[in-house]
Amino acid sequence: DAKTTQPPSMDCAEGRAANLPCNHSTISGNEYVYWYRQIHSQGPQYIIHGLKNNETNEMASLIITEDRKSSTLILPHATLRDTAVYYCIVRVAGTSGSRLTFGEGTQLTVNP
Amino acid sequence: GAVVSQHPSWVICKSGTSVKIECRSLDFQATTMFWYRQFPKQSLMLMATSNEGSKATYEQGVEKDKFLINHASLTLSTLTVTSAHPEDSSFYICSAQSAADTQYFGPGTRLTVL
Repeated sequence: DAKTTQPPSMDCAEGRAANLPCNHSTISGNEYVYWYRQIHSQGPQYIIHGLKNNETNEMASLIITEDRKSSTLILPHATLRDTAVYYCIVRVAGTSGSRLTFGEGTQLTVNP
Repeated sequence: GAVVSQHPSWVICKSGTSVKIECRSLDFQATTMFWYRQFPKQSLMLMATSNEGSKATYEQGVEKDKFLINHASLTLSTLTVTSAHPEDSSFYICSAQSAADTQYFGPGTRLTVL
């Protein structure tokens, strides 16, 4: 699976949009971009994933550049409960047992 | 939907004993489940891939005789840490792969070996 690069930490004011970047310059054509987050001492929570089109769900939006070498996760109105480590992972989907390889992620701190 | 549970949420045991951790997909069937381990201030490390009805596939460096995995049904996988030692103390997390090919994670089990 392709490696990803994320900033180690970011801060965001409560109520503002949080934009978390991820670089995946070696991504292959059949690899999806997945985002998970992990709140302290809990299991990771699935947020969103996409292949090449922008995606939106009730939690977040995922913007993938046209060349697919980078993406941005957007939390439109961050709350204190969004403070967590956010992981950007690229993975070949559609293959049974296809693994998720976790990097160091971005520690997002939402401040009051 | 897509809820995964783990039991117990935490366990303390004596060195040399065995501990079993259960992972259940509550509202979907999972042919494939995964077991991860996470040490303090580190990221998740995949230990093994568990396929229903067949032997688990272990990552390099993970002892299959020490970490026994059983995936006897489409909603249950178990991890047994045999002859536990203090260095096995960690946060163990399972995930289950849905039919839509997304992995959903359990809440984790905190193991402390005295």
